[in-house]
Amino acid sequence: AQSVTQLDSHVSVSEGTPVLLRCNYSSSYSPSLFWYVQHPNKGLQLLLKYTSAATLVKGINGFEAEFKKSETSFHLTKPSAHMSDAAEYFCVVSENTGFQKLVFGTGTRLLVSP
Amino acid sequence: DGGITQSPKYLFRKEGQNVTLSCEQNLNHDAMYWYRQDPGQGLRLIYYSQIVNDFQKGDIAEGYSVSREKKESFPLTVTSAQKNPTAFYLCASSLVGPRGNQPQHFGDGTRLSIL
Repeated sequence: AQSVTQLDSHVSVSEGTPVLLRCNYSSSYSPSLFWYVQHPNKGLQLLLKYTSAATLVKGINGFEAEFKKSETSFHLTKPSAHMSDAAEYFCVVSENTGFQKLVFGTGTRLLVSP
Repeated sequence: DGGITQSPKYLFRKEGQNVTLSCEQNLNHDAMYWYRQDPGQGLRLIYYSQIVNDFQKGDIAEGYSVSREKKESFPLTVTSAQKNPTAFYLCASSLVGPRGNQPQHFGDGTRLSIL
């Protein structure tokens, strides 16, 4: 069975410093992996996706993530945090077996201080 | 602009009452999904549909029902059998790809509370 573990429930950074949100996954098949962001009382917005092409994936708003099969990790990074990055972030895995069932991590809340 | 519209944004349910949440998409996506989100948890799949007039139960379907009479619409009914309905409900849609790697697009959700 596939699963996702987000290692931190909360991450606090100062504006202008790097962001690292950690995600480990477990999957029996070659997975597709996604990062989504959710602002308060809003739906989820896709940041980036990995689908077995390049292992370093670039997304919107300066975010990127690196797929490391040996470590079963898909950590999300950004070189310099902005106040508008404060939100909840979800790491998501989908098995490439036809129907797209997504399995969500429990989320990491990113707090950005001035 | 294409997107997913959920309504209402806030909904209140009385004891023993059924309520229906609306979800409409104009992205021409074949697949649609309903999720439930509770504080501190990830999203959990309630129902999904890959084609008109067909839908399947997700992980937490008990106490919910859906219909898919049109490609654009996938309403969710929260029945009185759902004893703990207070949650944030999210609708999503996606293309159907051969390898299940199509991203899902989400609406802005409906927050359901008990009176």
